[in-house]
Amino acid sequence: AQSVTQPDIHITVSEGASLELRCNYSYGATPYLFWYVQSPGQGLQLLLKYFSGDTLVQGIKGFEAEFKRSQSSFNLRKPSVHWSDAAEYFCAVGPSNDYKLSFGAGTTVTVRA
Amino acid sequence: DTGVSQNPRHKITKRGQNVTFRCDPISEHNRLYWYRQTLGQGPEFLTYFQNEAQLEKSRLLSDRFSAERPKGSFSTLEIQRTEQGDSAMYLCAITSGPYEQYFGPGTRLTVT
Repeated sequence: AQSVTQPDIHITVSEGASLELRCNYSYGATPYLFWYVQSPGQGLQLLLKYFSGDTLVQGIKGFEAEFKRSQSSFNLRKPSVHWSDAAEYFCAVGPSNDYKLSFGAGTTVTVRA
Repeated sequence: DTGVSQNPRHKITKRGQNVTFRCDPISEHNRLYWYRQTLGQGPEFLTYFQNEAQLEKSRLLSDRFSAERPKGSFSTLEIQRTEQGDSAMYLCAITSGPYEQYFGPGTRLTVT
């Protein structure tokens, strides 16, 4: 069975500072990994994805994530956060056959001025 | 715009009533998924369709829940005899490209 753990429930970061959100997954084969962002009351927006190849993937809004197989991790980073990055972030893992996603519980990011 | 609309966006209903939600992809997509998201949690898979066929249902989907995709385009999710525990955001997603899922804005259900 596949599962995702996001160890940090809530992170507060100053505007302009760097951000890193942790994600650990459990999956028997090579996973397909995703990061989504959700603003209050909204659906989920896909930030980036990893299927294969280069383990450092670039996404939208200046985000990047690094797949580390040895650590079963797929951490999300941004060098300099903007106030508009305040949202909830979800890591997800999916298999290659039915694409059914399993999500972590999410990390809420607060950006202070 | 993810190309997926959901209606209604909000639904308040009394316990015991039936409700129906609709998901409309803008264009045709083979696979369509329903997820449920409760407060403070990530989305949980409910069911998915490939064209008209419902291929899998989660154990979360009790017999009070039914989903259809009659023509392989839009989909409906019905909850009969709603309970307070059904209060959640119901999200629809479609696959586009190799593996990505794109989500609609969701329908927030409140059962009073």
